[in-house]
Amino acid sequence: QKEVEQDPGPLSVPEGAIVSLNCTYSNSAFQYFMWYRQYSRKGPELLMYTYSSGNKEDGRFTAQVDKSSKYISLFIRDSQPSDSATYLCAPLSGGYNKLIFGAGTRLAVHP
Amino acid sequence: DSGVTQTPKHLITATGQRVTLRCSPRSGDLSVYWYQQSLDQGLQFLIQYYNGEERAKGNILERFSAQQFPDLHSELNLSSLELGDSALYFCASSVGENTGELFFGEGSRLTVL
Repeated sequence: QKEVEQDPGPLSVPEGAIVSLNCTYSNSAFQYFMWYRQYSRKGPELLMYTYSSGNKEDGRFTAQVDKSSKYISLFIRDSQPSDSATYLCAPLSGGYNKLIFGAGTRLAVHP
Repeated sequence: DSGVTQTPKHLITATGQRVTLRCSPRSGDLSVYWYQQSLDQGLQFLIQYYNGEERAKGNILERFSAQQFPDLHSELNLSSLELGDSALYFCASSVGENTGELFFGEGSRLTVL
């Protein structure tokens, strides 16, 4: 079983839609949950992160973690064509460890 | 622009050859990470250095090696190249050694023919 599972998509939505991107993980030691965004032909960039369970909002983006079910979500409200990218979840344990990335979900927002 | 510089951007070589990929981290960052990204494997962690010392190792093949120099730049050496080594190789850097906030370069695309 992979440490992080993420549906690779692709996911295609119309502009203005609410997008839900999800990951599951297996290691209960994970405490930080990062979301990276990767545009085509670019390196990933950190979008936002949460610590432990709960929600965190940043503009149109909301990250949610449910540690009891080991489920991570990223919601995008009022999606824009500029949101078209691959979104990678990446959990991290609190102790010294490497960042593990999910496979990434490719999102296309069409006008 | 993340501030992380990788060279070369593109590299085409033949099986059995050896190549060196170079990374300059952001100014002030002490940690350097190498990741391999291929279509079927996603973004795979290879190795991490912190201030010149190896800190963590992922699924890095024995044919691959890396180092971080005193000026903090890093090189990833890939030898006895195989077709399956064709991928995007990303370097990332961070201030600390145990953080999820990594700054990625734009990658070096390696094609092995």
